[in-house]
Amino acid sequence: QKEVEQNSGPLSVPEGAIASLNCTYSDRGSQSFFWYRQYSGKSPELIMSIYSNGDKEDGRFTAQLNKASQYVSLLIRDSQPSDSATYLCSGFGNEKLTFGTGTRLTIIP
Amino acid sequence: ETGVTQTPRHLVMGMTNKKSLKCEQHLGHNAMYWYKQSAKKPLELMFVYSLEERVENNSVPSRFSPECPNSSHLFLHLHTLQPEDSALYLCASSQVGTGAYGYTFGSGTRLTVV
Repeated sequence: QKEVEQNSGPLSVPEGAIASLNCTYSDRGSQSFFWYRQYSGKSPELIMSIYSNGDKEDGRFTAQLNKASQYVSLLIRDSQPSDSATYLCSGFGNEKLTFGTGTRLTIIP
Repeated sequence: ETGVTQTPRHLVMGMTNKKSLKCEQHLGHNAMYWYKQSAKKPLELMFVYSLEERVENNSVPSRFSPECPNSSHLFLHLHTLQPEDSALYLCASSQVGTGAYGYTFGSGTRLTVV
């Protein structure tokens, strides 16, 4: 079983709509979770972190965490073409950061 | 300079060559990491240095040899690589005990083995 699982996509969303990205994890000891955005040919960039159950909002981004279901999600409101990228879900536990394969998101103008 | 810088950005090498990747962080962090990113695969943790000591080696082949001379610099020495080693190699850093707040990544070295 993969430690962090994501649907690889591609996920296509019309401009202005809400993009919903999902992730599940297997290590119940994971303490914190992160969403990284990676443009093609570039390095991952941290965009959201979440540490406790519930929602965390930052601008157009909302991260959601449900530790009982071992589920993490990222919502992007008012999607823009510049949001087109691969989004990496990661969890921190046992002093290491583990990543999913990433979901490729395309915003259609 | 700020953040985490990696050189070179691109590298093409033959299977008999020896080369090194360099990473430098300007964040005052004391933990550094090498990750490998291949197509369709998750980021794979290769090496972890914490307070300049190697604390993890996830069964990486010996043709990859890390070196951490101080808390700001990290090298990955490469020799007799295979074509399947072609990938994006990413360096990251964090502060020990605060990894729970995420890592900062460098821009990566795109390695092609021919």
